[in-house]
Amino acid sequence: GEDVEQSLFLSVREGDSSVINCTYTDSSSTYLYWYKQEPGAGLQLLTYIFSNMDMKQDQRLTVLLNKKDKHLSLRIADTQTGDSAIYFCAETFTGGGNKLTFGTGTQLKVEL
Amino acid sequence: DAGVIQSPRHEVTEMGQEVTLRCKPISGHNSLFWYRQTMMRGLELLIYFNNNVPIDDSGMPEDRFSAKMPNASFSTLKIQPSEPRDSAVYFCASLSGGALREQYFGPGTRLTVT
Repeated sequence: GEDVEQSLFLSVREGDSSVINCTYTDSSSTYLYWYKQEPGAGLQLLTYIFSNMDMKQDQRLTVLLNKKDKHLSLRIADTQTGDSAIYFCAETFTGGGNKLTFGTGTQLKVEL
Repeated sequence: DAGVIQSPRHEVTEMGQEVTLRCKPISGHNSLFWYRQTMMRGLELLIYFNNNVPIDDSGMPEDRFSAKMPNASFSTLKIQPSEPRDSAVYFCASLSGGALREQYFGPGTRLTVT
């Protein structure tokens, strides 16, 4: 079955860049996503990348996709305290319908 | 739009009691998902519906769990009887279709079974 893995924790200082990594096993991914979960709230789509792209930039966010290594990363430039949250990568895949497979989530802590 | 609405937001119940969680998806969305989130197991998909029809219920943990979607604007997740290990945050999400397949999550129901 599909498997999506992330490291559990990341701590950075305010103003630094954060890089959150994700590995997945399914080679038939169509879209890959980054969702953000703030404390006490549901998940919210942050950004996404189509599987035939290598990179996508959206303001402070840069998504890199290495399809050969099945590796996805999210870089947050100039990390702020408001970026503290849990970040989930997720994928949809051919034959999976509308189903999303989520990673384990990475808790990002931004320190002053 | 009010977004995905879930009720109750918090539920505390005793072991053995029946629990019903409710979800109202975003109007016009034709897919609905139920997830469970715990520290130990992370985010798990329990079941999802397309056009009110259950498509994949392979994540439903046991027969004690059941889900229904009687119409496009309402779904329930029922646990009977509840057990302490069911304590978790339960999320409902809906999706409008299209290639991107963005899911919109509700705020969740925090269930505590004592």
